[in-house]
Amino acid sequence: KAGVTQTPRYLIKTRGQQVTLSCSPISGHRSVSWYQQTPGQGLQFLFEYFSETQRNKGNFPGRFSGRQFSNSRSEMNVSTLELGDSALYLCASSSGWGEAFFGQGTRLTVV
Amino acid sequence: AQSVTQLDSQVPVFEEAPVELRCNYSSSVSVYLFWYVQYPNQGLQLLLKYLSGSTLVKGINGFEAEFNKSQTSFHLRKPSVHISDTAEYFCAVSGSRAGSYQLTFGKGTKLSVIP
Repeated sequence: KAGVTQTPRYLIKTRGQQVTLSCSPISGHRSVSWYQQTPGQGLQFLFEYFSETQRNKGNFPGRFSGRQFSNSRSEMNVSTLELGDSALYLCASSSGWGEAFFGQGTRLTVV
Repeated sequence: AQSVTQLDSQVPVFEEAPVELRCNYSSSVSVYLFWYVQYPNQGLQLLLKYLSGSTLVKGINGFEAEFNKSQTSFHLRKPSVHISDTAEYFCAVSGSRAGSYQLTFGKGTKLSVIP
């Protein structure tokens, strides 16, 4: 069974630009969650999608958004990038409690 | 609201020595508890989980953890560490919001195994 695939692995963007990150979950998993990891704040929950609906959201500004497609693939978008958005963005795929599998992450650097 | 406290940010230990990484949590509802490991430039890998049943949970790579409800703790242990165990370890809880699989993580503990 293929694991969780995140693309791209690395990104460099300029302040003010926008970026879209992609996550393909494990086949059959309907839940996709996104997390931001930074040295200062650690791992913080961004949002969760289940069957194309956002069912939970963390405490992030509206510049952070996401969506999920009918095949469960998910994208997250960050608009008007700030230097503080530099982070490792992790996607987790779940089929139930205790079954969160993480991708390798996308390393975003904002310059 | 849930929170997780990992009491040590860094733990150095000699190879083949035992190690304990400490985790305390707070929650007003029943929780599910997890330990994840992260190697440099990698995602998170699940080591073990407690959902219900026996409070002693065994995981991969020889790790185990004990759920202690009265002390709200879920400490991770390994009787003999290897160089390859050098990584960052995260304790996490889930279960506060019905229907959501959201995880709340601790700040992490960096385990350094000294040859």
